[in-house]
Amino acid sequence: NAGVTQTPKFQVLKTGQSMTLQCAQDMNHEYMSWYRQDPGMGLRLIHYSVGAGITDQGEVPNGYNVSRSTTEDFPLRLLSAAPSQTSVYFCASSYSNGRILPYQETQYFGPGTRLLVL
Amino acid sequence: AQSVTQLDSHVSVSEGTPVLLRCNYSSSYSPSLFWYVQHPNKGLQLLLKYTSAATLVKGINGFEAEFKKSETSFHLTKPSAHMSDAAEYFCVVSDYARYSTLTFGKGTMLLVSP
Repeated sequence: NAGVTQTPKFQVLKTGQSMTLQCAQDMNHEYMSWYRQDPGMGLRLIHYSVGAGITDQGEVPNGYNVSRSTTEDFPLRLLSAAPSQTSVYFCASSYSNGRILPYQETQYFGPGTRLLVL
Repeated sequence: AQSVTQLDSHVSVSEGTPVLLRCNYSSSYSPSLFWYVQHPNKGLQLLLKYTSAATLVKGINGFEAEFKKSETSFHLTKPSAHMSDAAEYFCVVSDYARYSTLTFGKGTMLLVSP
């Protein structure tokens, strides 16, 4: 298993450009999510998905778009990049134990994509 | 809503001395709690997790954490720091309402001096 993979590892964009950050997992996990990491802020949830065709917003969704057409892939789109989107982006996936408390669901993180917007 | 507060942004210790990283949480449900570590320019590594089986949780590399419901705390400890422990540590709570997505604390940077 490759686990959670992210591409590219590093990207430089100019303000106003668009791009897609790729995330894929080969563990047949239902849940996938995107986080951004900024100094002193920890990681913050951008968007998440609970299955193919189902997505929802997290804490900081503005400026980002997602869709999920397959179980394996969960791309994150920047529609018009801004310097405030300079960050490190992490994708994560987890299985579902049927929503039974307490959770045994563990998030598996990708290696991250470092994005610089000039 | 879930939240996590890491009480120290930086903690400095000498090699061989104990480590204590403090974390308080707020949760509407029985929480699942985690500690993650991130070494410089690296990804996230899960140190340990609490999911109500036992209040004292042992993790990797000699770390452990104790869940105290009455104090809403989940502090991370290690008896003896090693130089390789220098990293940023995140206390994290799982958000039941958002399908186990994670709410992170802002992080504690652990500095270890010789």
